[in-house]
Amino acid sequence: GDSVTQMEGPVTLSEEAFLTINCTYTATGYPSLFWYVQYPGEGLQLLLKATKADDKGSNKGFEATYRKETTSFHLEKGSVQVSDSAVYFCALGVDRGSTLGRLYFGRGTQLTVWP
Amino acid sequence: GAVVSQHPSWVICKSGTSVKIECRSLDFQATTMFWYRQFPKQSLMLMATSNEGSKATYEQGVEKDKFLINHASLTLSTLTVTSAHPEDSSFYICSATRQRNSYEQYFGPGTRLTVT
Repeated sequence: GDSVTQMEGPVTLSEEAFLTINCTYTATGYPSLFWYVQYPGEGLQLLLKATKADDKGSNKGFEATYRKETTSFHLEKGSVQVSDSAVYFCALGVDRGSTLGRLYFGRGTQLTVWP
Repeated sequence: GAVVSQHPSWVICKSGTSVKIECRSLDFQATTMFWYRQFPKQSLMLMATSNEGSKATYEQGVEKDKFLINHASLTLSTLTVTSAHPEDSSFYICSATRQRNSYEQYFGPGTRLTVT
């Protein structure tokens, strides 16, 4: 079935360090891929997305490239800040039957950045 | 724009009672709303999808008589946990989309339910 496997956390980094959070997926057809971020006490927010193979989504210094050959959508940032501390969710969107627009989420990765 | 609120943010209830959770889209009309359940350190599990004016579509394994969903207007959906038990304690999250069949979901902050 359709699923997302996400790197387990927590991830702890110093400010300005390089960040990678791995995400791989299983799906038939041509899914869309997403990264959502949840800051403490807030709802999930869309961080970036990619809708087809080789697309690169980017936002706020974060990037992820849709790699069909490796079924991956790893999240990267070159220099993290304390304000990036949050939980990051990888998600897969697949149209199946009556539940169109449905998302499948990974377990989330807690990122803590220290000054 | 695209703000979704949930009320209450946390609730404690006794076993056997029912509790209602509201999900509102504050600045847009939501054609579709989703209800999720999240266990600690686990993924969001989709419970049901509701379109305004029609019955909710429940995911396999979710008891529709226990988790009643009403999407009465384009800005409000409610989840009622009936005859709550301690195992229903969880974090419930709703989301909404502006367009039917869109993947762009806007999430509420969640409701922490504790059943004693």
